[in-house]
Amino acid sequence: GAGVSQSPRYKVAKRGQDVALRCDPISGHVSLFWYQQALGQGPEFLTYFQNEAQLDKSGLPSDRFFAERPEGSVSTLKIQRTQQEDSAVYLCASSLETGRSQFIYNEQFFGPGTRLTVL
Amino acid sequence: SQELEQSPQSLIVQEGKNLTINCTSSKTLYGLYWYKQKYGEGLIFLMMLQKGGEEKSHEKITAKLDEKKQQSSLHITASQPSHAGIYLCGADFSGSARQLTFGSGTQLTVLP
Repeated sequence: GAGVSQSPRYKVAKRGQDVALRCDPISGHVSLFWYQQALGQGPEFLTYFQNEAQLDKSGLPSDRFFAERPEGSVSTLKIQRTQQEDSAVYLCASSLETGRSQFIYNEQFFGPGTRLTVL
Repeated sequence: SQELEQSPQSLIVQEGKNLTINCTSSKTLYGLYWYKQKYGEGLIFLMMLQKGGEEKSHEKITAKLDEKKQQSSLHITASQPSHAGIYLCGADFSGSARQLTFGSGTQLTVLP
């Protein structure tokens, strides 16, 4: 496809259930990002991959959150033992890293998100 | 994020009117990104600014970054209903543009 796709688009889980959210980045994009967006707020960074390597996971809110990208393409964000405060839209973004001068120009292309509701 | 403040939180304008959205950082940033989001959809990239004093335009939208690289504005000229949505600014504080810090967004409504 032409853009970043995410599935499912909507997920309802009972508190305590495990969920897995999938992201298909744009083909050839090296970098992949996960963000969490609470209602009425801007996205907050969760984690970042360069190919299959998870280089930054400083934004993951707890050890119940786990992300992987085993072959450097598709990524899965897993949330174990979901809590009500996990309810949010989970956005995935990918980018093709290029260099320009001393800056890294890194436009991030976002998917439509997965809206997770924990009851 | 408290590092990045957007104002106003919401804006209602009549079609044809001009408007400005502001984004203020508590520290110097390497890059400032503007995105638009419609309800239930992902973010659509609008523009990126890197240099102090830089200004970019696309169609009726103009974004500026001040000389100190701590404040940006997004200006829409002759607004249309198609401009409605949530406008988000995202800051790169590290220089790698790998972790963007976003403001809380500005909800824009354009009345026909």
